[in-house]
Parts: sequence; C-alpha cells; structure tokens
Amino acid sequence: GAVVSQHPSRVICKSGTSVKIECRSLDFQATTMFWYRQFPKKSLMLMATSNEGSKATYEQGVEKDKFLINHASLTLSTLTVTSAHPEDSSFYICSARAGGSQETQYFGPGTRLLVL
Amino acid sequence: DAKTTQPPSMDCAEGRAANLPCNHSTISGNEYVYWYRQIHSQGPQYIIHGLKNNETNEMASLIITEDRKSSTLILPHATLRDTAVYYCIVRVATSGGSYIPTFGRGTSLIVHP
Repeated sequence: GAVVSQHPSRVICKSGTSVKIECRSLDFQATTMFWYRQFPKKSLMLMATSNEGSKATYEQGVEKDKFLINHASLTLSTLTVTSAHPEDSSFYICSARAGGSQETQYFGPGTRLLVL
Repeated sequence: DAKTTQPPSMDCAEGRAANLPCNHSTISGNEYVYWYRQIHSQGPQYIIHGLKNNETNEMASLIITEDRKSSTLILPHATLRDTAVYYCIVRVATSGGSYIPTFGRGTSLIVHP
C-alpha cells in the first residue's frame, strides 16, 4: 500500500510554545489530507480536512487558530499546534488520499505530543 | 457519530481464523465498508474494503451480507502480531462535504498463543 510518513514521531515541549508536525505522502500525490487526534484508549477524532492549495476545513469544536494546517504541496501537509498547553498533549495522526472520495486513505504512524 | 456497531473485544487462538463482525444497518447504497486496524501507539493500517461483493487480499477476507447491513472481516490464520484494535467504518460526510471514514470504538482483538 501507499506510504505516509510523519515527523517527528514524538515531541516534548514547554507550555506556551508552538509545535509543527509534518505529514508526507511518500509514493503518491495526496490531493486531500486529514488530521486526527487520539486520546488514550479512545478512538480517532477528525480535526480537519485539507486540500492542496486551499484552506483547511475544520470539524466542529476544533479551533482553527489553535491548530494551523497548511497543505502547500501534493505531498506535504503540516499541523502547527500554537501556544501549546498540557491539554493539547495527545497522539496526532495524519492520513492522505490520492484522489476522490472513493479512494482509500492511508495513515501516517502518528506523532505523540507531550506538553509540560 | 459512528454508523457501525462492533463488539468491544474478542480473542482468538494463534493459528485459528479470527472472524470480526460489524453491523452497519443504515449504510447507503453508495457507501463502502472499510476495515482498518491499529496496533498500539501506531497509525491505523488499511486492511480491505468493499461495496457489495466479497473481497479477499493478502491480509484478509471481507464478507458482506446481501442486504449490506453487516459484514465480517476474516483473518484466516491469526498470529500474535494481529493483536490490534480493528475498525469497521463506512464513510460519512464531514462538515466540509468530503466523505471520509469516521472511526467508532472498534473491536480489540487479542490473539493468544
């Protein structure tokens, strides 16, 4: 299957700092990328959908000024957690899809964020 | 809101077939059934998907009932590495109008020696 990478795999930061997470589709062009977060022993929760070259669409309850998403190219999307707080500590997972809604989504390995 | 119902947990002996059921009684005619699994602390891994016909690949088989209201994922010879949470999902529309998988709680499968 297609490969999606994330960097970093884990990050620890101080409260108030910003953290950027990268998501790359390695062997295909991703017209759409998705960002999820997952708390311990919980399921994945969709945060936002981004299409290359356009603004991300955020799910209800997700602060777009807090979680900045940039999908600058067909192989790269970034999620920046701004002014991180301990409650932002979570497992962040991206996924990418090559074409339309009938196409399969492939997921990255996830980034574990710990805010102290 | 997940549109699928799965048992919260199952267990299976190594080498035996693991049959994971899923109910999706409100599925629409053009919605696919997808199966993913998530091993602890990793991103979800795509397994298989189908619309109405049964499907098989190198990982698993997917059996979809004729009325499409339920399906079963079959791992023919489960190994310890198949221990994971298995998600059965049908795509639902996001607030942006895109159709994407929405994850429910899944089934925690434990394969024991």
